[in-house]
Amino acid sequence: DTGVSQDPRHKITKRGQNVTFRCDPISEHNRLYWYRQTLGQGPEFLTYFQNEAQLEKSRLLSDRFSAERPKGSFSTLEIQRTEQGDSAMYLCASSIRASTVMNTEAFFGQGTRLTVV
Amino acid sequence: AQSVTQPDIHITVSEGASLELRCNYSYGATPYLFWYVQSPGQGLQLLLKYFSGDTLVQGIKGFEAEFKRSQSSFNLRKPSVHWSDAAEYFCAVGPSGGYQKVTFGIGTKLQVIP
Repeated sequence: DTGVSQDPRHKITKRGQNVTFRCDPISEHNRLYWYRQTLGQGPEFLTYFQNEAQLEKSRLLSDRFSAERPKGSFSTLEIQRTEQGDSAMYLCASSIRASTVMNTEAFFGQGTRLTVV
Repeated sequence: AQSVTQPDIHITVSEGASLELRCNYSYGATPYLFWYVQSPGQGLQLLLKYFSGDTLVQGIKGFEAEFKRSQSSFNLRKPSVHWSDAAEYFCAVGPSGGYQKVTFGIGTKLQVIP
């Protein structure tokens, strides 16, 4: 297992189009997180899954965003009707569920860079 | 609400020089603190994390960080910087309950000159 992988690495789309990103976590990890990182900012939490259940969504996740994790394996993040403000790096991370963050580590993928033109 | 301040957006050091990256946090209870590094084209990698115990924490790649509760700081240090350390460094704070609750700073971009 080579870690968390994300596809595609780069995506350029026209405003108003739909885009979908994929994240493949480390195989034994039951938690999967999505973050957004805009230029000059740190990652901001969007949503996370424990197995196939989506347990929390940030207020940053507008109605145009939807995420799934069928069968608790890979996850997809879809953005409908993209806007220029959606341009960002979308990061995926995975971890093992533990009693505290000190007992586990979130491993990040390389991200998908979205440019909306 | 929890927050992280990284006051230096960009730092330049000479190879072989010492490094200190500043981080101040705001958190209502005892925080979990993290430092991550993001190299160009790479994902974030955890350098070290701290919750309790010895306030000087050792991490990977020769980095260490010191927790100072009185100053609400968690500064990252390295005694001798290598050219490969050029990257962006993020401080983060959160509770125990999971990485979905971790707040990241805006990052400090480190440039290393020969």
